[in-house]
Amino acid sequence: ETGVTQSPTHLIKTRGQQVTLRCSSQSGHNTVSWYQQALGQGPQFIFQYYREEENGRGNFPPRFSGLQFPNYSSELNVNALELDDSALYLCASSLAGGNHNEKLFFGSGTQLSVL
Amino acid sequence: SQQGEEDPQALSIQEGENATMNCSYKTSINNLQWYRQNSGRGLVHLILIRSNEREKHSGRLRVTLDTSKKSSSLLITASRAADTASYFCATDPNDYKLSFGAGTTVTVRA
Repeated sequence: ETGVTQSPTHLIKTRGQQVTLRCSSQSGHNTVSWYQQALGQGPQFIFQYYREEENGRGNFPPRFSGLQFPNYSSELNVNALELDDSALYLCASSLAGGNHNEKLFFGSGTQLSVL
Repeated sequence: SQQGEEDPQALSIQEGENATMNCSYKTSINNLQWYRQNSGRGLVHLILIRSNEREKHSGRLRVTLDTSKKSSSLLITASRAADTASYFCATDPNDYKLSFGAGTTVTVRA
C-alpha cells in the first residue's frame, strides 16, 4: 500500500457531463501529479500541483483542471466530457517539490467510463 | 507523445526463467525509473537509476543505463507467477513531468 487513496474507484458518466475525481496524498508529501492512462497505453501526464499551485501541465485542454488543498489532497475536474476521456485516472504523490523527480507513489486509480 | 518506448511489447516466460525488457528514450535525462502495474491497478515504483549510474540492483531486479545510447534494460531473474504485470520505464526530460512509455506486458507461466 502506498498511502495514496483515490475516490471513487469507478465512475460512469455521459458525454457533456462534468466529473470530479479526488486524491489523498501520502502523509508528508507536498506534490501531486495526475495521469491519464488509456487502455493498453502508458500513463500520460496531465498536470502537477506543488503547495497548492499548478507546477506544470501536459498536453491536455483547459477543460481538465485541478486543485490542491492545504492538506495536500487534490481534485481533478473534467468538464464537457468526451468519449475519449474514458480512461484510468491516476494520482501520484511525491516529495519532489517541483525541483526534480524522485519516485512517485500512485493510488489505485479511478476508472472513468464516458458513454 | 511519449518519451520512452519499451521493447518488447509483450513477453511470455516460464516460471524460473529470466525476463529482460528494454527502454529507449529521446532526450537527456536526470534519472530513469521502472514501475510495475498489475492489471487495472496503480503503478508501483521498482527502481530508480541516476544518469551518472550504469547499473543498479534491487533483489531480483537488475537495471542498466547507457546514456550514450539513450537506453535502459530491466532484468528480472528467477521469475515467479507474481511477476506477471506490465512494466513501464519513466524518464524526466523536464523538471516536473515524469514521462512513461507504453510498457511491456510480462506473463509468467507456471
